[in-house]
Amino acid sequence: QVQLVQSGTEVKRPGASVKVSCKPSGYTFTGYYIHWVRQAPGQGLEWMGWINPTNGGTNYAQKFRGRVIVTWDTSTSTAYMDLTRLRSDDTAVYYCAREFYDGSGYFDHWGQGTLITVSS
Amino acid sequence: QSVLTQPPSASGTPGQRVTISCSGSSSNIGSNYVYWYQQVPGTAPKVLLYQNDQRPSGVPDRFSGAKSGTSASLAISGLRSDDEADYYCVAWDESLSGPVFGGGTKLTVL
Repeated sequence: QVQLVQSGTEVKRPGASVKVSCKPSGYTFTGYYIHWVRQAPGQGLEWMGWINPTNGGTNYAQKFRGRVIVTWDTSTSTAYMDLTRLRSDDTAVYYCAREFYDGSGYFDHWGQGTLITVSS
Repeated sequence: QSVLTQPPSASGTPGQRVTISCSGSSSNIGSNYVYWYQQVPGTAPKVLLYQNDQRPSGVPDRFSGAKSGTSASLAISGLRSDDEADYYCVAWDESLSGPVFGGGTKLTVL
C-alpha cells in the first residue's frame, strides 16, 4: 500500500535550519509530484512547494522563496524539505503529500507529519 | 489570509444537513477542480471529495460537493458526531502554479 513516512520531531533555535525527510513506498515514485504543506498550531493548512521526482523540478510559494529548498534523492528515493533562517512562527507540523494528478491539488496520500518547534 | 474563503465555523445537530462554502477566483476555482479534505485534530488531512463532487472509495454518500463559477460547496447530510472535524477546500491556482487552500471550517455536531 502507498505510504509516506516522515522523519521525527525536532526542536530548533531561531536562525537555524531544519531538514525534514519524506520516504514514499508502495508506488512508482516518478509518476507523482510530492508537495509540502505546513500547519501552525491551531491554524489552517499552508502550501509550501512541490517537487517532481522525475526531473527534480520545483516550485515554491512566494512566501517561502529563498528560505525553502525541496529536493529528491534518487539513490534513496526520498524527498527532503530544507527550511532555513527559522523563526518562532515556523513552529508547525510539516506534511508531505503525494499529488495524484499533476497540477490539481488532489493529495491522495499524506505523511504522518513532522512537528518542528522553533524556540530559544 | 487564505486565498480561498471559507466560514470559520459551522454546526448542526445529529441527522441534520450542513453546507460549507468555499469562494475563490477565476484563477483557481473558476478554472480548476475543487478538492475537499477532512482533518481530525492531531491527524493528517484525508481527501473527502475530488474533482468537485467525486467520492474516493470508502467515503459515504452523505458527503457531496458542488461547484458553480468561482464558488464551491460541501454538503454533509445525516450529520453524525464523528463528522466533527476541520474541513478544507483546495484548488489549483494558475497564476501561482500551486494549490491554494481555504482557511478551514470547524464543524461542531451539537
